[in-house]
Amino acid sequence: ETGVTQTPRHLVMGMTNKKSLKCEQHLGHNAMYWYKQSAKKPLELMFVYSLEERVENNSVPSRFSPECPNSSHLFLHLHTLQPEDSALYLCASSQDGATQQFFGPGTRLTVL
Amino acid sequence: AQSVSQHNHHVILSEAASLELGCNYSYGGTVNLFWYVQYPGQHLQLLLKYFSGDPLVKGIKGFEAEFIKSKFSFNLRKPSVQWSDTAEYFCAVTGSGNTGKLIFGQGTTLQVKP
Repeated sequence: ETGVTQTPRHLVMGMTNKKSLKCEQHLGHNAMYWYKQSAKKPLELMFVYSLEERVENNSVPSRFSPECPNSSHLFLHLHTLQPEDSALYLCASSQDGATQQFFGPGTRLTVL
Repeated sequence: AQSVSQHNHHVILSEAASLELGCNYSYGGTVNLFWYVQYPGQHLQLLLKYFSGDPLVKGIKGFEAEFIKSKFSFNLRKPSVQWSDTAEYFCAVTGSGNTGKLIFGQGTTLQVKP
């Protein structure tokens, strides 16, 4: 399935690096999301964008900075991360907020 | 607080056995309920969903779930599992008028032995 794509699929970075995760949806949806999936923990919603405006920031540290330049693209800018930020970062999209969300394959992030 | 609880963290079954995975939620107001599945090496995909109407919903691959409002539950069932059902299963809830704040349970790993 190629509805929601994410790049890169794997990323290793040091604590002083700056990197960005990219998500693109080809489904014509108007809402996009970032989630964090850590081992043995529920998926955690990080950010919600609806019509390119951020409508939810789920108490995420400022070292994570989202950007939604248009309805098809979503970025997560990373800087000065900590080892505990290592996780699978998932992007999702939906048409309107409460409907089914379609997920991308995720970016496996390792912070050294 | 809004939350989703999945009772079984790891389930091991033999092929043809019946499956029931528990899901209870805590959420005020009208809800939309989902079960997502993540097969090994694949991304999360929707198994089934409940928005309104018949509380017994049928999804893909022979799965079904029943919404019991009085018990705040949305248990997933399948009468006869296959080896290919080996995956991680997530229950999730959001408010029907919400901005998309999907709350997930911690997931249940299902291992089906051939």
